[in-house]
Amino acid sequence: QKEVEQDPGPLSVPEGAIVSLNCTYSNSAFQYFMWYRQYSRKGPELLMYTYSSGNKEDGRFTAQVDKSSKYISLFIRDSQPSDSATYLCAMSETGGGNKLTFGTGTQLKVEL
Amino acid sequence: ETGVTQTPRHLVMGMTNKKSLKCEQHLGHNAMYWYKQSAKKPLELMFVYNFKEQTENNSVPSRFSPECPNSSHLFLHLHTLQPEDSALYLCASSQEDRNGNTIYFGEGSWLTVV
Repeated sequence: QKEVEQDPGPLSVPEGAIVSLNCTYSNSAFQYFMWYRQYSRKGPELLMYTYSSGNKEDGRFTAQVDKSSKYISLFIRDSQPSDSATYLCAMSETGGGNKLTFGTGTQLKVEL
Repeated sequence: ETGVTQTPRHLVMGMTNKKSLKCEQHLGHNAMYWYKQSAKKPLELMFVYNFKEQTENNSVPSRFSPECPNSSHLFLHLHTLQPEDSALYLCASSQEDRNGNTIYFGEGSWLTVV
C-alpha cells in the first residue's frame, strides 16, 4: 500500500462547478498537510498549508483535514478554466522540508 | 516568479555528455533540495542541503552529483546518464525551523537523455 493515495484523474468539470480533490494516507503521524498546484511544464506552486485537523479557507479554495479518517480534501468553488492543472497533495510528520511525502497528483480540467 | 530560479529550463544530452543544472533561491532560506518528477510517479526526493551541508542522499546513483557552494545556490552535475533519467528535475528551498515549514519549488529543468 502506498503511503499517500491520490486518484490521478483526469477529472473534467464544467466552468463554475465545485471541485473536490482528495488524498488518503496511512501514516497516522502526519500532522502537516499541503496542496500544490502544478501547471503543465511548470514547477509545483504552494496553494494551501494546514496543520492537524480542521478546515482552512483562502478565496475559492478550502482545505479540509480529517485525521481520524486519514483523509484530506481540497475544494475549489466556482471553478475556472485557469484552475486546470495537476493538484498534488503532500504531508509530513514534523513539517520538515525533507520529510514530505507526495501523492502522484490529480489532473483537473475545467471546461468552458 | 517563484523565488527559486532554475537553469536551463530544457536540456537534451547524450549518454556520454556531462552537463549541470543550476538553481538559485532568493528567499533567504537555509535548506535546498533536488527532486525528480517522472510521469505517473510521486515526486522523488534526491538530495537535501541544510546550511550548505548535505544531510540526505536518497540512494541516488553516482551519475548525479550535487554541489552546494552556499545556501543560495545548488547545482546538479550530470554525467553518463541513462534514457530512464529523462524527467523534470525540480529544485526547492525552505526555511527549517521548529514550527513546521514547507518548500517552494522552482520551475524545473526538463531533461531528455538520448
